[in-house]
Amino acid sequence: GAVVSQHPSWVICKSGTSVKIECRSLDFQATTMFWYRQFPKQSLMLMATSNEGSKATYEQGVEKDKFLINHASLTLSTLTVTSAHPEDSSFYICSAPDRLAGGETQYFGPGTRLLVL
Amino acid sequence: KQEVTQIPAALSVPEGENLVLNCSFTDSAIYNLQWFRQDPGKGLTSLLLIQSSQREQTSGRLNASLDKSSGRSTLYIAASQPGDSATYLCAVDAYGNNRLAFGKGNQVVVIP
Repeated sequence: GAVVSQHPSWVICKSGTSVKIECRSLDFQATTMFWYRQFPKQSLMLMATSNEGSKATYEQGVEKDKFLINHASLTLSTLTVTSAHPEDSSFYICSAPDRLAGGETQYFGPGTRLLVL
Repeated sequence: KQEVTQIPAALSVPEGENLVLNCSFTDSAIYNLQWFRQDPGKGLTSLLLIQSSQREQTSGRLNASLDKSSGRSTLYIAASQPGDSATYLCAVDAYGNNRLAFGKGNQVVVIP
């Protein structure tokens, strides 16, 4: 089946630094990818929709200047957490639908756990 | 705004028992509903997808039902096995645009 990878799987950084997370579709093209965030014991919350070749669409309450999304190719979307603070510590996970396979089944990456000190 | 609730939050069952996991959603106007499995440190694996026009879907020991009018879905896992231990997530796609609203999950432990 289709595979989505994320890198890195773990990242620890100091407050104020920026962190980039990559999401790749390994064996299919993804014109759209989704970024979710999950805090402990909470549900996954959709942050933004990443669109290849155009601007991302952010959900209400998500700061677009803080969470920069770039979808420069059909297999790669990146999420950059700028000037990270401890409250940004969370589990970030991306997903991508395989449009050629019908598009309703989404494939999720393994997630990236971010800890901001 | 669609809100998805899963009950119980956690449960433990002895091996061989049937599992019943419940999901409710506030807005019955949905496009589809999916059940996922999440293992620690790993991504989500899609288990079953039910279209809004369907009442149930089955795959092996798994059966998911959908009652759109009452805003409920139930995932049944027959004859549970220790390998079924995981967190099960229910997610609703309201418009068919792949933007999912998730519940908090049912954390399941199957005791050998």
